[in-house]
Amino acid sequence: DAKTTQPNSMESNEEEPVHLPCNHSTISGTDYIHWYRQLPSQGPEYVIHGLTSNVNNRMASLAIAEDRKSSTLILHRATLRDAAVYYCILKSYVAGGTSYGKLTFGQGTILTVHP
Amino acid sequence: GAVVSQHPSRVICKSGTSVKIECRSLDFQATTMFWYRQFPKQSLMLMATSNEGSKATYEQGVEKDKFLINHASLTLSTLTVTSAHPEDSSFYICSASVGSRSYNEQFFGPGTRLTVL
Repeated sequence: DAKTTQPNSMESNEEEPVHLPCNHSTISGTDYIHWYRQLPSQGPEYVIHGLTSNVNNRMASLAIAEDRKSSTLILHRATLRDAAVYYCILKSYVAGGTSYGKLTFGQGTILTVHP
Repeated sequence: GAVVSQHPSRVICKSGTSVKIECRSLDFQATTMFWYRQFPKQSLMLMATSNEGSKATYEQGVEKDKFLINHASLTLSTLTVTSAHPEDSSFYICSASVGSRSYNEQFFGPGTRLTVL
């Protein structure tokens, strides 16, 4: 599976926008970019995913570079509840292969939100 | 989003005993379920993938005879840690997907914290 690179940690103030970067220079044409987050002592939570075009949902926006080698998760107004580890994951689909739909978690970015 | 539950949320057991963890998709049918393990301050590590009615596929280095996975229905998968030892103490998390294509999101359970004394 193609790897992703994220900063270990980032900080933000409440009510301010947060841009969480992710590099995936070896992404393949069929890889989807998924973002999940994990609050302390909880299972991960789906945030957003995309393939080529920018995506918006009620939680966040995903901006994907034109060459798809990087992406940015945007939280428009950070709240204290957004403090979590954010994982950028490339999800491969290999027909009949053993990597079918698997998510490979890296270390993620620890987001701290200050009041 | 869809809801996945796990039971129990926390379990403490003695070394040598077996522990069963249940993972249920509450409002959807999950064609595929995944089991992860997470040690303190570390990321999630995929242990195995299971499809309803078929044998689980284990990741390299995961002992299939120690971590028994049963996926008997489209809403239930179980993980049994057999003859648990202190090094098996960890946070076990399951997830479920309605499909296995690359765009299908996975819904995660809240996790089960296992402590082996």
